[in-house]
Amino acid sequence: DVVMTQTPPSLSVAIGQSVSISCKSSQSLVYSDGKTYLHWLLQSPGRSPKRLIYQVSNLGSGVPDRFSGTGSQKDFTLKISRVEAEDLGVYYCAQTTHFPYTFGAGTKLELK
Amino acid sequence: EVQLVESGGGLVQPGRSLKLSCVASGFTFSNYGMNWIRQAPGKGLEWVAYISSGSSYIYYAETVKGRFTISRDNAKNTLYLQMTSLRSEDTALYYCASRGFAYWGQGTLVTVSS
Repeated sequence: DVVMTQTPPSLSVAIGQSVSISCKSSQSLVYSDGKTYLHWLLQSPGRSPKRLIYQVSNLGSGVPDRFSGTGSQKDFTLKISRVEAEDLGVYYCAQTTHFPYTFGAGTKLELK
Repeated sequence: EVQLVESGGGLVQPGRSLKLSCVASGFTFSNYGMNWIRQAPGKGLEWVAYISSGSSYIYYAETVKGRFTISRDNAKNTLYLQMTSLRSEDTALYYCASRGFAYWGQGTLVTVSS
């Protein structure tokens, strides 16, 4: 199985600050079609997860451009510029290149 | 507006069965592979099963293989998860989600306890 290692496990930030979350996979996430199926999700308190970024760097529908994703092969980063209160929650990276699909353990973003 | 609405959760004794449903609307359900994902209380996300748009390809997590069956009825825009031989460790909020985790439901809670 592909192990997704997410760091840090938690972040304490001030509104307006920028932060980055790392996600490293134990295998390359490049699929046979050449695409990389690495996604970023946000689970706000008491809510269902919402996809923010798909295929490494594509912004999901309605997601503000304060969010950006970069990376390739086995090393990926989510950056949030100018954190807002609505950004608080748990962020997960997830891969849908290989079965079984797997998730990172999550990064909890809290207010300082 | 895309909607996924799960139902069928509840309290069940160990060893018993339960069938979850997920009704989709707002997108062409028959064109999308679908997933079940679960989240134990206070824990992270765990992928459970996937079914392709035409049901040709089905995959399961090892933790549920042989006990859970994923299926779909495209005429009814509905995804199912038949769960048998339930264990306490299957206690979780069960979400249905579309291919690539683009769309998620609100989840249905399954509690396995005597």
